[in-house]
Amino acid sequence: QQQVKQSPQSLIVQKGGISIINCAYENTAFDYFPWYQQFPGKGPALLIAIRPDVSEKKEGRFTISFNKSAKQFSLHIMDSQPGDSATYFCAAPGNTPLVFGKGTRLSVIA
Amino acid sequence: EAGVAQSPRYKIIEKRQSVAFWCNPISGHATLYWYQQILGQGPKLLIQFQNNGVVDDSQLPKDRFSAERLKGVDSTLKIQPAKLEDSAVYLCASSLLPGEQFFGPGTRLTVL
Repeated sequence: QQQVKQSPQSLIVQKGGISIINCAYENTAFDYFPWYQQFPGKGPALLIAIRPDVSEKKEGRFTISFNKSAKQFSLHIMDSQPGDSATYFCAAPGNTPLVFGKGTRLSVIA
Repeated sequence: EAGVAQSPRYKIIEKRQSVAFWCNPISGHATLYWYQQILGQGPKLLIQFQNNGVVDDSQLPKDRFSAERLKGVDSTLKIQPAKLEDSAVYLCASSLLPGEQFFGPGTRLTVL
C-alpha cells in the first residue's frame, strides 16, 4: 500500500508570508498528485493538482513543486491569508485511487 | 452544480447499535467512494464503487461494515454492530476522473 508522508503536522505563518507543506510518496505507478484543503466541519476540497510530466504548477497564490526523482512534491501558498487557515492534505495514487497524508493544520495569523 | 449530499450530518449511538449513512453523488459521476476520517488523520478509503459494482473494498471491515449502491446512484454505508473505535467522520466522494474527487460534508459519528 502506498505510503504518503506529509510534513509538518502544523504550521503557523504570519499574514502575507509563504506557507510551505511537503509530501513524500513511495510509488510512481500513476500520474496524478493532488492537494486537498479542508475547513472544520467540511469535506476536503480539491485545491490544486499536478501531473509528473511538469515540475511546477501555479494557480493564483497556490503552487505545487514536483520532484519526481526525489518522489516529493510540495505546496506553496504565497501571500498567506487568514482565510487560508485550514488543514491541507496531499494525496498520491496507490492500490486505491488515492492515499492521503495525515494532514497539515495551517494557521495564518494577522 | 449541486455537490455531494450526505445525511445525517451527525449521529450519536451506543456501542453495539446499528447505524446507516446515505450519500447522493454529483449527477453523472459514475465513481463513488466512502472514506473514514479519524480525528487528526487523513481520509482512509473504505470502499469504491464504479456504477453499482464494487471496485475496491479491501479496507472495509466486512464483519461489521456493509455498503451498497443501488441503481448506480445513491449509496448507503451501514455499521452493525458499532464499536467505540468507529467514532469518526464518514465522507462520501464522487468523481469522473480518479484523482479529482468531490467530497460531501461528511457524517460525524460518535459511538458511546
